[in-house]
Amino acid sequence: GAVVSQHPSWVICKSGTSVKIECRSLDFQATTMFWYRQFPKQSLMLMATSNEGSKATYEQGVEKDKFLINHASLTLSTLTVTSAHPEDSSFYICSARDWTGGAGGGNTIYFGEGSWLTVV
Amino acid sequence: GQNIDQPTEMTATEGAIVQINCTYQTSGFNGLFWYQQHAGEAPTFLSYNVLDGLEEKGRFSSFLSRSKGYSYLLLKELQMKDSASYLCAVSYDSGGSYIPTFGRGTSLIVHP
Repeated sequence: GAVVSQHPSWVICKSGTSVKIECRSLDFQATTMFWYRQFPKQSLMLMATSNEGSKATYEQGVEKDKFLINHASLTLSTLTVTSAHPEDSSFYICSARDWTGGAGGGNTIYFGEGSWLTVV
Repeated sequence: GQNIDQPTEMTATEGAIVQINCTYQTSGFNGLFWYQQHAGEAPTFLSYNVLDGLEEKGRFSSFLSRSKGYSYLLLKELQMKDSASYLCAVSYDSGGSYIPTFGRGTSLIVHP
């Protein structure tokens, strides 16, 4: 089945530094990718929709200058957390839409493995 | 806006059947996803319903009624490994982009 790879799985960084998380669709082209954030025992909170070749669409309340998203190719989107602070510590998950068929018959969204970010 | 409601927690016995309900209110409805998520892991795809009716896939089945804004996930022959959070997500049309919005998830506990 379709695979989405997310890297790194775990990252610890110092407060004030920036961290980049990569999301790759390995066997399909993803014109649209999504970035979510999840706190323990909470649901997935959509941060932004990443469209290949154009600017990301951010959800209300998400700082676009703090969470930089780049979708430069059909298989790669990156999320950069700039000037990270302890309150940014969270589980970040990307997903990619497969329009070509997949198990969902034309519209399936596959998730990466997730990235645990700890800012100290 | 989008409003998705599902029970917070359910418990069931190994070998039994459990039904997890999801109700939603949304404009531009496109389809409904069900995902399974184990603690500390990313969600895995279970089903995607666009049309009304029941879709069966092994031990898991998913039902959708668009007119009622209602879906359920049916798990048969429960196994201990089915203990997880089950996320209902609604896909809606936002200016040509189909945005998936997740409910809070239902934590299913399967006991012997």
